[in-house]
Amino acid sequence: DTAVSQTPKYLVTQMGNDKSIKCEQNLGHDTMYWYKQDSKKFLKIMFSYNNKELIINETVPNRFSPKSPDKAHLNLHINSLELGDSAVYFCASSPWRGGEKTQYFGPGTRLLVL
Amino acid sequence: RKEVEQDPGPFNVPEGATVAFNCTYSNSASQSFFWYRQDCRKEPKLLMSVYSSGNEDGRFTAQLNRASQYISLLIRDSKLSDSATYLCVVTSGGSNYKLTFGKGTLLTVNP
Repeated sequence: DTAVSQTPKYLVTQMGNDKSIKCEQNLGHDTMYWYKQDSKKFLKIMFSYNNKELIINETVPNRFSPKSPDKAHLNLHINSLELGDSAVYFCASSPWRGGEKTQYFGPGTRLLVL
Repeated sequence: RKEVEQDPGPFNVPEGATVAFNCTYSNSASQSFFWYRQDCRKEPKLLMSVYSSGNEDGRFTAQLNRASQYISLLIRDSKLSDSATYLCVVTSGGSNYKLTFGKGTLLTVNP
């Protein structure tokens, strides 16, 4: 009965590799997000999709490419990984209508680039 | 100036203590305000929304002062299970769907 799930939970990889993180939500929400939490624990939004349409695109290197095949899924692909990409990546979802703005987070993917 | 600034902490308090966290935000267009809680190595979870009139949920009381752009969270009768990082969160600019998080304040409640 997981609400927002992410895979993998841990990802250790070498610099220069390409990797993907997957996110799925079963809450029926229209909006999904990707956040990055760095080593200083600062949580910052990267992207948001509403019903498969990109609505928030923060200043993120274009090595990061989100893809939303349907409104229940938002994946994050990262090309040419760098040491500074090491962080915890959280997916989240929220309803779009009704004024409810609470975001529900997945458990996070801990990425370590060596 | 950071968009959302919180007490840097950490706070170490004994069980039963009352503890208050403060937060200021820079964007006067922010419309929605929240406190989230993040346990060690876990995801953030909504603790409570913050309304202009102030609101209470059990031992937790949140206050908002729009004129001063200030948000607070008061925890009464602290429990060991309250130990966590408390994140002040506001919506950014004209978007009600972009949340901006403060860096968080770590609370440790000691027996």
